[in-house]
Amino acid sequence: EAQVTQNPRYLITVTGKKLTVTCSQNMNHEYMSWYRQDPGLGLRQIYYSMNVEVTDKGDVPEGYKVSRKEKRNFPLILESPSPNQTSLYFCASRRTSNGANVLTFGAGSRLTVL
Amino acid sequence: AQSVSQHNHHVILSEAASLELGCNYSYGGTVNLFWYVQYPGQHLQLLLKYFSGDPLVKGIKGFEAEFIKSKFSFNLRKPSVQWSDTAEYFCAVNAGNNRKLIWGLGTSLAVNP
Repeated sequence: EAQVTQNPRYLITVTGKKLTVTCSQNMNHEYMSWYRQDPGLGLRQIYYSMNVEVTDKGDVPEGYKVSRKEKRNFPLILESPSPNQTSLYFCASRRTSNGANVLTFGAGSRLTVL
Repeated sequence: AQSVSQHNHHVILSEAASLELGCNYSYGGTVNLFWYVQYPGQHLQLLLKYFSGDPLVKGIKGFEAEFIKSKFSFNLRKPSVQWSDTAEYFCAVNAGNNRKLIWGLGTSLAVNP
């Protein structure tokens, strides 16, 4: 089944404790992206990657890092999490070849930073 | 700057009522338009999309949307909603050569049985 898999789905952590949210897709998609979803603010893009070893900042990159060493994986790293990073995070992927952005989303990772 | 505006933030309807959710965007050139839906506790999934051709687009679960270029709009419609349509609906636009999707803030729809 074609899908985007995120882990963990739920995480409670404390301020300053580094964490990584993994994202993996099995569709051979070139483009991958991370979003955060907050009430009243909709979806905001954190980082995106057009292909392996190519990453770019989205609208709200502060406090986050990403890497794209393999095509299928796009982990989101919070080096020193803070309470304002408490949010629902979605990873998404799509092909870039057709120029149209039909994204496939993961199930989401709900992060709470105390 | 390009933007997407969804007029209704919260909509409450009774079953069998008709639905129309507004979406307007600010870009004068070629656009690709999308509606995504997020059911409670689930991930976003594509409801329907417009790339070119017939401006009336039909999607899953009886939804449709009409692209009106002169009004910069892509409103979502359904003639008769069901309780299972309770969800959050997001409009998104990909404008011109910019492959970045611009998202609306979403509309929360609650359908009472």
